[in-house]
This record gives sequence, structure tokens and C-alpha cells, in this order.
Amino acid sequence: KAGVTQTPRYLIKTRGQQVTLSCSPISGHRSVSWYQQTPGQGLQFLFEYFSETQRNKGNFPGRFSGRQFSNSRSEMNVSTLELGDSALYLCASRPEFTGPGGYTFGSGTRLTVV
Amino acid sequence: AQSVAQPEDQVNVAEGNPLTVKCTYSVSGNPYLFWYVQYPNRGLQFLLKYITGDNLVKGSYGFEAEFNKSQTSFHLKKPSALVSDSALYFCAVRSYFGNEKLTFGTGTRLTIIP
Repeated sequence: KAGVTQTPRYLIKTRGQQVTLSCSPISGHRSVSWYQQTPGQGLQFLFEYFSETQRNKGNFPGRFSGRQFSNSRSEMNVSTLELGDSALYLCASRPEFTGPGGYTFGSGTRLTVV
Repeated sequence: AQSVAQPEDQVNVAEGNPLTVKCTYSVSGNPYLFWYVQYPNRGLQFLLKYITGDNLVKGSYGFEAEFNKSQTSFHLKKPSALVSDSALYFCAVRSYFGNEKLTFGTGTRLTIIP
């Protein structure tokens, strides 16, 4: 079956712009998490959604937001982009919000802010 | 708060030798533990997980990991390293209870020397 799909794969944006990233989870998976990966900070948790509700949130400024749709697809938005927002953004899905279900990751969206 | 420590940023192993990538964790209650591997410009690929039961967990590509509750460790091992094992490895933990996020270590870059 299809894995986690993230679009686009690559993005180049200018400081001050906004960007929207998309994540389609594995069919039947209802929980979607987002992570930011940078060389200096490693993998930082952004937020997790389950059944269209944000269940967990990391320590990122309000410029970072997300949402989940009824089909479990998720989007994250970053407004007023800063150079430091350049990173690989990873999405992961799992069947449920609790329990031992494994997380499956997408290939990521590489965002470059210039 | 839960946390993961990967004490070695870099591990070098000769091809054919056994390899170990170290991980220790801190979490309230029982843990779910995971190992992921990342190849350049790709997302994270699942290797194995510990939920409960046998302390030795077998995973993909010949990897295994040993859960040690008293030492709060979950070291990744492989009896004979391949050059293709060269990649970035992440250990992650999540609490058995509640709705905690998946927390990652900082990663260990494994280089297999031919």
C-alpha cells in the first residue's frame, strides 16, 4: 500500500513569505505528526493531529500552524518565513493516537528560505 | 519529560565487524522504544521497536536491539556490518501511558569502512 506522501519535495521561499506543506498519511492511519529536522537541532516535534484535533504541540512560535482534514490528510503552514526556518520537514502517520502503533515517515519537504 | 540520549555522534566500524549504536532513555512508566535509519535526503525508515516481552528485538536488515530496563538502554546491534549500513540512526521513545509525543535522540552517524 502507498506510504506517507509529502508534497512538495523541495521549496525555495523568500524571507517574509508564507508556505504550506502537505502530508497524506497511509490509508487508515488517523494520527499525523510533524517534525522539523535541522543539522543543529536534530528532530524537533512540531505538532500531532488526530481526528482533526491537535493533540500535542511542540515549542515552536505561533508562525507554525497546522490542521488535519476529515480524510486525515494534514497541512502545516509557516507564516512570515525566517532564514532559520530552512529545514527538512517530516510528516509521520500512525494508526491511532495511543498504543504501540509504529510511526511511518514520509520522505520530507526540504524548505529553503533565502 | 521524556528524553533520549545517543552519546556518540559518530561511530566507525570495519566492514564485517559487529556494530553497536548506543541509546539510553528517560520516560515515566514503561516505554515504547524505536530505532529509525535515515539515508541522505530521505525520511526516516523504521528498523525495529520494543513494546513488551523479550528484551532482544529483531528488526529489518539484520539489525537487533537489546532492551535493558535497569540501565534504561536500548542499544542497536548487528553481528556483521555492511557498507550499505552507513547512514544516520535515530533512537526514539514514547511513554506507554498518556498521549506523549515521540521523542528522538540527536542521531548517530554510522560509517562502515570497507
